[in-house]
Amino acid sequence: DVKVTQSSRYLVKRTGEKVFLECVQDMDHENMFWYRQDPGLGLRLIYFSYDVKMKEKGDIPEGYSVSREKKERFSLILESASTNQTSMYLCASTPRGRTYEQYFGPGTRLTVT
Amino acid sequence: AQSVTQPDIHITVSEGASLELRCNYSYGATPYLFWYVQSPGQGLQLLLKYFSGDTLVQGIKGFEAEFKRSQSSFNLRKPSVHWSDAAEYFCAVSPIGTDKLIFGTGTRLQVFP
Repeated sequence: DVKVTQSSRYLVKRTGEKVFLECVQDMDHENMFWYRQDPGLGLRLIYFSYDVKMKEKGDIPEGYSVSREKKERFSLILESASTNQTSMYLCASTPRGRTYEQYFGPGTRLTVT
Repeated sequence: AQSVTQPDIHITVSEGASLELRCNYSYGATPYLFWYVQSPGQGLQLLLKYFSGDTLVQGIKGFEAEFKRSQSSFNLRKPSVHWSDAAEYFCAVSPIGTDKLIFGTGTRLQVFP
């Protein structure tokens, strides 16, 4: 059974803190994605990666960075968290050539106070 | 402008009633089309997909969707809703020739006993 896991279900951080959100997949997928989900806005793509050490900006990359040192792990980094980054963050992965058939993790609800 | 639209933010139905969730897209060429479901506290799960061919596609959990080219629509249907179907439903498109998945804003389904 395919599995995408995220390091935390709930996270509370203070403004200005550096925040790491971790995502791990056990399906040997090449592609991994980070989205944020906000009411009324659906899912918006932050960053994605096609391979180890590769990254591409999505639609809303400002204020975020990513790291992919190993194939199974894709990290989202908030360099200096702000209150407008309070959101649900979803990670997904897909095999090469099938980026539309995404497998999602359960999400991390981040609150920045 | 290219877009995917879910006109209903919130729908309420009685258990056992039929269901139709609307999705319209605006793209030059018919994209690949998908419906995802997000149960409370969970990540997204793929319900069904349309690439080409038969315009009525069957998915998991008893759902089906019909592609109508003339209306640029891909509506999700279920003949008899169960209480466990209460969730948020997302329509998504993958434009031909891209590696992206573009999500609609979602429809929240509430089921009354």
